[in-house]
Formats: sequence, C-alpha cells, structure tokens
Amino acid sequence: GAVVSQHPSRVICKSGTSVKIECRSLDFQATTMFWYRQFPKKSLMLMATSNEGSKATYEQGVEKDKFLINHASLTLSTLTVTSAHPEDSSFYICSARVQGGTADTQYFGPGTRLTVL
Amino acid sequence: EDQVTQSPEALRLQEGESSSLNCSYTVSGLRGLFWYRQDPGKGPEFLFTLYSAGEEKEKERLKATLTKKESFLHITAPKPEDSATYLCAVQGGSNYKLTFGKGTLLTVNP
Repeated sequence: GAVVSQHPSRVICKSGTSVKIECRSLDFQATTMFWYRQFPKKSLMLMATSNEGSKATYEQGVEKDKFLINHASLTLSTLTVTSAHPEDSSFYICSARVQGGTADTQYFGPGTRLTVL
Repeated sequence: EDQVTQSPEALRLQEGESSSLNCSYTVSGLRGLFWYRQDPGKGPEFLFTLYSAGEEKEKERLKATLTKKESFLHITAPKPEDSATYLCAVQGGSNYKLTFGKGTLLTVNP
C-alpha cells in the first residue's frame, strides 16, 4: 500500500516553455501532498504544500507564479514550471501524506528529472 | 526551528561488516522521527517511524533506535544491495512538515 507515482520520469524542454508534472496516490486518498526539489548530492528542499480543494502554501523564497500547484482531487496534484529556464533544471519529487494517530507519514514518488536547455 | 544532523556523511563497509548511522535532532515536541532510503535517481523509500524515546523497530538487516536527542540506524551484516543514501527526518509540534538531514551515503563493497 501507499504507492505514489509521478509522470513524467524525465523531461527535457526548451527555455521559455512550461512543463507539467503529475503526482498521483495510487491506492489511497491524500488530502495533502508535498512538492520537493533536490539538487545533486543534496537533501530534499520543501517547495510547497498542496491541499486538495484549496491554494497551495509555498515555502519562503519559492516563486508561486513560477511553480504553479493544483490539487484538484484526492489522488492528483500537479506542479507546472512556467517559463522554465536552465536554473530550474533539477530533480522534483512529490510526496503524499498518510495521516496517523501520532505522526503523519509521507510516501514519496519516484521523482521527475527536469532538464531545461 | 527544527534541525537534523546526520553523520557520517559517507560510510564505506565491507560486506558483512556491521555499523551504525547517526541522526541527531532538535525539535519542539517530537511527533515522529522517520528513516528513508534513497537510491540514485529515485524518490525516498519509507523505512521506519519512531515516536518516542526507547522505541526500536527492525526490518531485515536494519534496526532503528531512538533517544531524546538522537536516532541510530544499525545495519547488521550488510550486503551490497544495502548501498544507498539513508535520510533521517523529524516532524514536530503541530506541523506535519518534515525536516530532513543531509543523509549518509552508504557503500557496501562485496
């Protein structure tokens, strides 16, 4: 159980274009999903918290107009990188929250490698 | 602000050579401490959640323990397939966000 998928796994795009990444919880419903960014040999950096049916909450320093998040259903959240530039190239990973009695566990997707030329 | 420090940054072991990874943390009102395994180019894979000091959990060759200040991930008789980056994270207070450490890169040589 608690399987999270991401699509696509890899994407290469030209500078100035927009890219959409999908995150799905396959066998459970997730009211909350998270989007992370990871640079080579670095730990995960939380970008935003995505709540079903409401606006996403962005971490300090993350441009909300550049990284558009939509959480339209209990099993799907999308991250759109708008007007992508080479500095947006990175490994993007989503997670979905499973609520527990004491602590909530996050299950992660396999990640999406974005390369902007 | 919650903080997580993992040591060592990298660890090389021979197959069968047992060792431990350390995760030191400061958090306001610990709700849970999490261990994940991450393979290159993949998302983190959930291993354990520990909730309170004194708790221990095991899975195959891995055993996680927790005190009020740190957690250890013990690896007994590791195999090459245990090679990965092991991440520690904490969740505290009323916040369900995770604060991650930088990870320990474990390499097990045959």
